[in-house]
Amino acid sequence: DGGITQSPKYLFRKEGQNVTLSCEQNLNHDAMYWYRQDPGQGLRLIYYSQIVNDFQKGDIAEGYSVSREKKESFPLTVTSAQKNPTAFYLCASSKAGEISPLHFGNGTRLTVT
Amino acid sequence: GENVEQHPSTLSVQEGDSAVIKCTYSDSASNYFPWYKQELGKRPQLIIDIRSNVGEKKDQRIAVTLNKTAKHFSLHITETQPEDSAVYFCAAGNTNAGKSTFGDGTTLTVKP
Repeated sequence: DGGITQSPKYLFRKEGQNVTLSCEQNLNHDAMYWYRQDPGQGLRLIYYSQIVNDFQKGDIAEGYSVSREKKESFPLTVTSAQKNPTAFYLCASSKAGEISPLHFGNGTRLTVT
Repeated sequence: GENVEQHPSTLSVQEGDSAVIKCTYSDSASNYFPWYKQELGKRPQLIIDIRSNVGEKKDQRIAVTLNKTAKHFSLHITETQPEDSAVYFCAAGNTNAGKSTFGDGTTLTVKP
């Protein structure tokens, strides 16, 4: 069954620690995205990647980093420089070429105290 | 960059009534307009989409209309049912930019 897997579902960290969120897809999609969801603010784009070994900053990239070493994987690191990291993080993928629907993972809820 | 505004932020209707959610966008280069439904605790899922070369699209009880001149698009749900209760997000996508910008969402409540 094809889809996107995000792990873990819940993540707790102490302030000052970096944390990496996992995102894996078996849909053979070229494009992958990370969104942050806060109550009442919709989905805001953090980083996106159209192809392996290449990625671009989204609207709120500060304090985050990504890598795209494999087509299937697009991990997101929330660094200690991110001032307000507690949020719900959604990974998505889509076909390349003409812009197409996003397929979302189930999300990771990160709590930093 | 693209800016998408979505209204209303909350909407409550009686079962069987219609619901309309409206979005405006700023970038005339946007050419793809999807709508996603997110039930509580679940992932957003595409319910309908429209491309800039089409003015209207319908799928059973849901329809989307697009006015490129005015830069706005709307979601119409007819004969609403309690299971339509969810948060709905509009988005504006740009093939050249390779990304989509989302509205802030509308929480729809359908009262039985």
